[in-house]
Amino acid sequence: EAAVTQSPRSKVAVTGGKVTLSCHQTNNHDYMYWYRQDTGHGLRLIHYSYVADSTEKGDIPDGYKASRPSQENFSLILELASLSQTAVYFCASSDRGGDAETLYFGSGTRLTVL
Amino acid sequence: GDKVKQSPSALSLQEGTNSALRCNFSIAATTVQWFLQNPRGSLINLFYLVPGTKENGRLKSAFDSKESYSTLHIRDAQLEDSGTYFCAAEANYNVLYFGSGTKLTVEP
Repeated sequence: EAAVTQSPRSKVAVTGGKVTLSCHQTNNHDYMYWYRQDTGHGLRLIHYSYVADSTEKGDIPDGYKASRPSQENFSLILELASLSQTAVYFCASSDRGGDAETLYFGSGTRLTVL
Repeated sequence: GDKVKQSPSALSLQEGTNSALRCNFSIAATTVQWFLQNPRGSLINLFYLVPGTKENGRLKSAFDSKESYSTLHIRDAQLEDSGTYFCAAEANYNVLYFGSGTKLTVEP
């Protein structure tokens, strides 16, 4: 079974502060993703990566940076957190090619910016 | 506008009944995935589809790329089927667009 672990599970941050969300996968997947979910809505892609030391912009990258130091680890960085970034953040991993493209999600990180 | 529109937004079923959820796409979807977000918030993958159909137990899903829609059929609904169902479509490489979800409540 695929395993994607996120930390922390929840975080309260102050406006203007720096926030780092971490994700670790043990699936040996090449692809990793960061999504955000706002209450009552679907998920939107922030950044993704298909190889270590490289990241790509998703649909809503503004205000976020990402880092992929190894195949297993993918971080999302908010350099200057803002109120509008309060949301639940999900990390996911997948491979490429047919059914392997199925996304496996972590349990989410609930971020509250005050 | 929304690239992926799900309907209905909410649905209540009696245990043992059947229902269908639908996604319409305004993008040229090439693949579709369906997920269940359970009441604890975890996202569980249900189906990965290229055009065609798949079945898994009481769930069956279809994806018609020409007519730009996908459906998820639930047969003999059980209490544990409750949660929010999301469909997601891929058109551009590596970008999945999610719908807003269908919140399903199964009642005894």
